[in-house]
Amino acid sequence: EDKVVQSPLSLVVHEGDTVTLNCSYEVTNFRSLLWYKQEKKAPTFLFMLTSSGIEKKSGRLSSILDKKELSSILNITATQTGDSAIYLCAVGRRSQGNLIFGKGTKLSVKP
Amino acid sequence: DGGITQSPKYLFRKEGQNVTLSCEQNLNHDAMYWYRQDPGQGLRLIYYSQIVNDFQKGDIAEGYSVSREKKESFPLTVTSAQKNPTAFYLCASKGGDATNTGELFFGEGSRLTVL
Repeated sequence: EDKVVQSPLSLVVHEGDTVTLNCSYEVTNFRSLLWYKQEKKAPTFLFMLTSSGIEKKSGRLSSILDKKELSSILNITATQTGDSAIYLCAVGRRSQGNLIFGKGTKLSVKP
Repeated sequence: DGGITQSPKYLFRKEGQNVTLSCEQNLNHDAMYWYRQDPGQGLRLIYYSQIVNDFQKGDIAEGYSVSREKKESFPLTVTSAQKNPTAFYLCASKGGDATNTGELFFGEGSRLTVL
């Protein structure tokens, strides 16, 4: 059965800390891995990683795909209270249009 | 502005009643999805549709039904057969061809509470 596992499930840090969120997957016909941020309601897209694009960076956020280890990390440096959210990892498979989501990591950044 | 609109945002239902959640998109996307989110459970796929007049069951379709009569609309009915319907429901859409596993665009969600 295809699955996506995120760790940790929750994390509390202080402003300025650097955090690393993990996502591992076991899927057939892997095609892409996506990261989303969910603050209140609608998840918002952060990154998509594929075999042709295994590293992405935007400001304080960066993500790397390790196809050998079947995993990805999302790094957030110099965290701010606005980074508090649930971070969702999802995997897409070839020939299938839907994504498989992990359970998410709830990040709380304290002032 | 282009986007996905879900309604209602909050809904209360008595046990035994069917309710329909609306999802409309003006992004001209072919594919649309319904996910259910429970605390600590991530997003679980209920139904998805890759083209008008066609849809497929996801992982937790029991107790739910959908229709896709128009490209822009993908309503979800939560039937009385759904044993634990209290949850947050998210609708999403995606452009490109049916096998494109790119970015999903999400609506703001509908929170259903069964009294």
